[in-house]
Amino acid sequence: EVQLVESGGGLVQPGGSLRLSCAASGFTFSSYAMSWVRQAPGKGLEWVSAISGSGGSTYYADSVKGRFTISRDNSKNTLYLQMNSLRAEDTAVYYCAKAVSLRYSSGWYYYFDYWGQGTLVTVSS
Amino acid sequence: DIQMTQSPSTLSASVGDRVTITCRASQSISSWLAWYQQKPGKAPKLLIYKASSLESGVPSRFSGSGSGTEFTLTISSLQPDDFATYYCQQYNSYTWTFGQGTKVEIK
Repeated sequence: EVQLVESGGGLVQPGGSLRLSCAASGFTFSSYAMSWVRQAPGKGLEWVSAISGSGGSTYYADSVKGRFTISRDNSKNTLYLQMNSLRAEDTAVYYCAKAVSLRYSSGWYYYFDYWGQGTLVTVSS
Repeated sequence: DIQMTQSPSTLSASVGDRVTITCRASQSISSWLAWYQQKPGKAPKLLIYKASSLESGVPSRFSGSGSGTEFTLTISSLQPDDFATYYCQQYNSYTWTFGQGTKVEIK
């Protein structure tokens, strides 16, 4: 059974830092790209960042580029999100998600098949 | 950036109703669209991928269609467990964008 368990959320002051973790089990972690998606209170879903299975390629939404860093430790089956220079608008539940890839004629298609339960990050003074 | 627009934002329906939610992309995304269901306080759940492929374990009353810029999610006969918020999601060149969501409420 696939399980994704996030941790590391909490209350942080504006300008502060926080590192989220996502412990994965039930699948070959290194074979799959992973992603972080967030949801501000009462709002919709926003993709934040993604990383390839090897960790060699990373991708970011414009809203977090230069402030957040995604990484993974395949020996520990764990995904991370280092969040620096946090702002009030970063307040959200952060979900990690496993990405499935489908090959097509000119590339790959990715979607998210399993999600963790989320961890709440609150940025406030 | 590709924008995704869902309609309606809220939908009131009764058990047994046929329900259709529309998602429009600001440019063509071929069939690279997924649909998710989210209940309050829970993580999103994948329903449909590649516009019309039903995820394993998802009831067959859910179906997806469309390509290019216009897509639909249909629930053929609404069940009590289906009252939730539904999101479409596009994929393009290692970026993903969600629609704003459609809340399906009890009429």
